[in-house]
Amino acid sequence: DIQMTQSPSSLSASVGDRVTITCRASRSIDSYVNWYQQKLGKAPKLLISAASSLQSGVPSRFSGSGSGTDFTLTISSLQPEDFATYYCQQSHIIPRTFGQGTKVEIK
Amino acid sequence: EVQLVESGGGLVQPGGSLRLSCAASGFTFSTYWMSWVRQAPGKGLEWVANIKQDGSEKNYVDSVKGRFTISRDNAKNSLYLQMNSLRAEDTAVYYCARENGYCSGPRCYFYFDFWGQGTLVTVSS
Repeated sequence: DIQMTQSPSSLSASVGDRVTITCRASRSIDSYVNWYQQKLGKAPKLLISAASSLQSGVPSRFSGSGSGTDFTLTISSLQPEDFATYYCQQSHIIPRTFGQGTKVEIK
Repeated sequence: EVQLVESGGGLVQPGGSLRLSCAASGFTFSTYWMSWVRQAPGKGLEWVANIKQDGSEKNYVDSVKGRFTISRDNAKNSLYLQMNSLRAEDTAVYYCARENGYCSGPRCYFYFDFWGQGTLVTVSS
């Protein structure tokens, strides 16, 4: 199985801050990474597929990058509605695996 | 509008069984892979199983192999998860998710683009 390791596990930030979340795969997965946002008590929402492809309707302040084993989700200017938990997920092989999540909290 | 609505969750004793259902609408169900993803209380997401469009291929995470069975009925636009020999560690919210994808040259990218609201399964005596 491919292990996905996110860092940090949590972070505190202020509205307007630039936030970066990293995800490392246990072996090379090309660009087969997706990013999801999950708010408390809600289902996850797809933000980015194929490492950097922004989903329709997702604000442009979200961006993704990376290839191989190291990936990044960036929020360029944090908004109040962005406080949530973010997960990376690899789609290179079965079983699909997720990172452990990064909780973004208000400072 | 794409909708996925899970049902069938509840409280079950260890060793018991439960069948989850997911009713799909707003898209051509028979043309998509479908998955079950679960989330234990306060924990992260774990993919459980997926099934090909015509049901001919099924995949499972190791921890549920031999105990869980994924199936679908395309005539009813429904996805199912039969869970047997349930354990305390199976306690989670279970989501059904549509697995979408596209190919760019030799690479095919898959992702979960729509999710249901989830149904809670609690395994406890």
